Amino acid sequence: EAGVAQSPRYKIIEKRQSVAFWCNPISGHATLYWYQQILGQGPKLLIQFQNNGVVDDSQLPKDRFSAERLKGVDSTLKIQPAKLEDSAVYLCASRTLGTGVEKLFFGSGTQLSVL
Amino acid sequence: AQSVTQLDSHVSVSEGTPVLLRCNYSSSYSPSLFWYVQHPNKGLQLLLKYTSAATLVKGINGFEAEFKKSETSFHLTKPSAHMSDAAEYFCVVSDLRGNQFYFGTGTSLTVIP
Repeated sequence: EAGVAQSPRYKIIEKRQSVAFWCNPISGHATLYWYQQILGQGPKLLIQFQNNGVVDDSQLPKDRFSAERLKGVDSTLKIQPAKLEDSAVYLCASRTLGTGVEKLFFGSGTQLSVL
Repeated sequence: AQSVTQLDSHVSVSEGTPVLLRCNYSSSYSPSLFWYVQHPNKGLQLLLKYTSAATLVKGINGFEAEFKKSETSFHLTKPSAHMSDAAEYFCVVSDLRGNQFYFGTGTSLTVIP
């Protein structure tokens, strides 16, 4: 089966610029997550979708970050304006909506460098 | 609240020797625990998961982990390290419904030839 697709693979921008990341989860996966992984740290959840609804965005810096999943499939994560501390790898993950604890499938991530 | 603590940020072993990556968890209920591996420039991959069945869990690539409730630990082991095992390893705990996943800070494993 195809995996979680993310693009772009790398992005370099200057501070105060805007940037957007795209994620296409595995077909049929209702739950989608965006994580931020700063160098040397574990991934931190930014936002969780179930279909096209937001389940948890409590750790999303809403003054500059936004995310959407309009049709319950693809998702975009946007940063506007970017700060130096936003330099990180942004990971998208998806899983099925089952009764058990299903594993997460991760994309390869988008590595963002803010100069 | 759930959390995991990975006790070592870096571990170095010689090829062919045992690997031990330590993880302690904190949870107010019987947790579901996972180990994920992240190779450079690759996505996170599940090694194994514990969901209250057998306490000794076998995963891919010869890794296994033992759930010890009395010690609140879920250490990852492998009898003999291979060069290809060099990567970042993350211990993960999920919430009660398996809806959210909380990552440790990671352990970087170096394998010395």
